[in-house]
Amino acid sequence: GQNIDQPTEMTATEGAIVQINCTYQTSGFNGLFWYQQHAGEAPTFLSYNVLDGLEEKGRFSSFLSRSKGYSYLLLKELQMKDSASYLCAAPPSSNTGKLIFGQGTTLQVKP
Amino acid sequence: DTAVSQTPKYLVTQMGNDKSIKCEQNLGHDTMYWYKQDSKKFLKIMFSYNNKELIINETVPNRFSPKSPDKAHLNLHINSLELGDSAVYFCASSQGGGPHNEQFFGPGTRLTVL
Repeated sequence: GQNIDQPTEMTATEGAIVQINCTYQTSGFNGLFWYQQHAGEAPTFLSYNVLDGLEEKGRFSSFLSRSKGYSYLLLKELQMKDSASYLCAAPPSSNTGKLIFGQGTTLQVKP
Repeated sequence: DTAVSQTPKYLVTQMGNDKSIKCEQNLGHDTMYWYKQDSKKFLKIMFSYNNKELIINETVPNRFSPKSPDKAHLNLHINSLELGDSAVYFCASSQGGGPHNEQFFGPGTRLTVL
């Protein structure tokens, strides 16, 4: 089967660091995406990992462990504007762009 | 602005009606998608077209029919609307239809069926 699990909600304080976890089970491994979605808006691309390890991109970093079927998104120096849903997604097929999405983690950043 | 655009942004209609949602992208991409996001925020793929050819057709009622007149447009027509069709529908596009391609999403169409 194909499944992606992530926590439903998280709360963190402005200026802090937060880690959003994602575990996945797909029929094949073709990378792991993170998208950000603000309320009422479109999802926007954050990262794509295909190799194990941590990839840093400014305040946001994404980690992948293929052997554990595990990824996390690390957000540093949290800002109020980081309050959003963070969607973990995996493509099960090597031939198409089909993405299986998790239900998203709604992050609330408090002052 | 280069982007993926959808019309209308909001659509309120009665059960049993037929409606269409239009999507256009000016990014020069060759692959387009339709997703449905339900009230629990799950984003599920419905269809994908690559250069006007249907590539992905998930388990979607045949009341839903996509049409791609050219590679920049992918419209979604829904017949005999049901209450359960109420959701936000997102169009997306990517350069290439492979699993590694970043997808760019439109602003969404919030469909409410009464």
